[in-house]
Amino acid sequence: GAVVSQHPSWVICKSGTSVKIECRSLDFQATTMFWYRQFPKQSLMLMATSNEGSKATYEQGVEKDKFLINHASLTLSTLTVTSAHPEDSSFYICSARDHRAQYSNQPQHFGDGTRLSIL
Amino acid sequence: DAKTTQPPSMDCAEGRAANLPCNHSTISGNEYVYWYRQIHSQGPQYIIHGLKNNETNEMASLIITEDRKSSTLILPHATLRDTAVYYCIVSPRQGAQKLVFGQGTRLTINP
Repeated sequence: GAVVSQHPSWVICKSGTSVKIECRSLDFQATTMFWYRQFPKQSLMLMATSNEGSKATYEQGVEKDKFLINHASLTLSTLTVTSAHPEDSSFYICSARDHRAQYSNQPQHFGDGTRLSIL
Repeated sequence: DAKTTQPPSMDCAEGRAANLPCNHSTISGNEYVYWYRQIHSQGPQYIIHGLKNNETNEMASLIITEDRKSSTLILPHATLRDTAVYYCIVSPRQGAQKLVFGQGTRLTINP
């Protein structure tokens, strides 16, 4: 079945550093991927839509200069949290769907998430 | 995207059927009903989806009312591993399919 892989699964770093999270579709190609953030005991909040070969689309209230998204190929999107601070600590999750799925019936699939802790 | 309403929590005995309701009274004609679940500290897992007909797969059954304003996810023989937060989401099948998550239902399976 469709698999979406995220790396790293967890990361701890000092305040002020930048952290890059990778999201890969392993057995399909995705022109669009999505990035979510989830705080403890809350639901997933959509941050942005990552578009292959073009700029990402950010949801209202999400700082594009803070959360840099690059979707350089049909199987890889990256989220970089720049100058991270403790309030950026969260569970970050990506999702993707086979780019052919809009003509079929395939759902979106999610990665296992990246737990980010900023000290 | 259409808004969905789910009970915040439910309990079910192990081995019994778990029936999770979802209201989506403002669903539009081109929107599907998707169900995902999230086990603690993992990414959401796809369960099932449907448009207007009832659907069944190896994980669950989905019953959609004739007016499509509500649906029920059925886990026929719940196990302890089915304890999770279950999300009902409506979204168009076409296009990028942005999924907007509500608060979901926290289902606890009791031994």
